[in-house]
Amino acid sequence: DQQVKQNSPSLSVQEGRISILNCDYTNSMFDYFLWYKKYPAEGPTFLISISSIKDKNEDGRFTVFLNKSAKHLSLHIVPSQPGDSAVYFCAASAGLNKFYFGSGTKLNVKP
Amino acid sequence: NAGVTQTPKFRILKIGQSMTLQCAQDMNHNYMYWYRQDPGMGLKLIYYSVGAGITDKGEVPNGYNVSRSTTEDFPLRLELAAPSQTSVYFCASSAAWDRGRSPLHFGNGTRLTVT
Repeated sequence: DQQVKQNSPSLSVQEGRISILNCDYTNSMFDYFLWYKKYPAEGPTFLISISSIKDKNEDGRFTVFLNKSAKHLSLHIVPSQPGDSAVYFCAASAGLNKFYFGSGTKLNVKP
Repeated sequence: NAGVTQTPKFRILKIGQSMTLQCAQDMNHNYMYWYRQDPGMGLKLIYYSVGAGITDKGEVPNGYNVSRSTTEDFPLRLELAAPSQTSVYFCASSAAWDRGRSPLHFGNGTRLTVT
């Protein structure tokens, strides 16, 4: 039973526009959420995180929004760049050093 | 600036063979993890360790063993390889349990095929 879900396997966006990647979770005990970016043949790299006490966290072109009532988080990339083309994973944790990952969304930013 | 190093990068095993996936980190991180990623799936936690001499099971530990004799190394052992273990394996480390300042740092993965 997957506790973190990314229902869109892929997303295609024009360069300069906004990319919105979505993630849903089922475990109400999750209190920390992260986004990772993964290029082919490389390991995931940390992008941005948010604690459950916040509803928004921003870092440059990347913003993560958390809606706890809906158990939903999203990653906004503005403006999107071709170098952003990668697979994006969301992850969540309820402590105990365990992180649960979604299945990933492949973002393609077209020049 | 090595970070997390995994060896080998690729391996093909026959059913029933054994092998050890190596993982080393040079960041003096206490916590280390093994994940596997199957096609179209997220990363599943196999085993993790909170320090030398301490290991614990994750979501999918069956068919694997680990040991943590030093802070730097966290090898993953497959004793009797099965086709279901065909996957990409990622090792990761983190500095502390304070998740706000210590996200996971991943290696580049080992692609394992069992035939």
